[in-house]
Amino acid sequence: AQKVTQAQTEISVVEKEDVTLDCVYETRDTTYYLFWYKQPPSGELVFLIRRNSFDEQNEISGRYSWNFQKSTSSFNFTITASQVVDSAVYFCALSEAHTGNQFYFGTGTSLTVIP
Amino acid sequence: DTEVTQTPKHLVMGMTNKKSLKCEQHMGHRAMYWYKQKAKKPPELMFVYSYEKLSINESVPSRFSPECPNSSLLNLHLHALQPEDSALYLCASSKTTGLHEQFFGPGTRLTVL
Repeated sequence: AQKVTQAQTEISVVEKEDVTLDCVYETRDTTYYLFWYKQPPSGELVFLIRRNSFDEQNEISGRYSWNFQKSTSSFNFTITASQVVDSAVYFCALSEAHTGNQFYFGTGTSLTVIP
Repeated sequence: DTEVTQTPKHLVMGMTNKKSLKCEQHMGHRAMYWYKQKAKKPPELMFVYSYEKLSINESVPSRFSPECPNSSLLNLHLHALQPEDSALYLCASSKTTGLHEQFFGPGTRLTVL
């Protein structure tokens, strides 16, 4: 079974629009971490955020914000006022306490921001 | 310094060649990883080194041979590869294994002819 689901395969938005990327995860562990990575066309995965299972506070970093809801097993990512440089593939990932070596990546969401 | 470097950036090799991919980090991380990524897919874990010892081998064919000479370096030796091995190979590191973020290098884009 897929542990991390990113249902949106591709999204296109016009510059300055807000966009939300969805991430739904599945785990039986009580201790786990969730991550978001950005992969621009150059290929390098860029770490964006880590959130542990005991901290449901939402986080904002500039134009980026994350909404973690354990009740719905979701960790959604919103970009406000999108820019062309935000065009990339975004991956959500899960790491569980009992299999700490393993990152379970979602299938990714390809975001295109149109100027 | 939060950088993981990889060389070469691009590699084209024939099925009978032997080549190596190199990865280096100077963040004092004690866990290093190799991933394989095909186009439009998420990265797939290949190997994990923890404190210079191989801790995970995700059933990778023996034509891929990892090596960790020291805590900063990670190599992936390639021999007798197949065209389906063409992919982006990503190296990553983290403080230790466990629930830490991994920092990725830019990858080596490998083409096997």
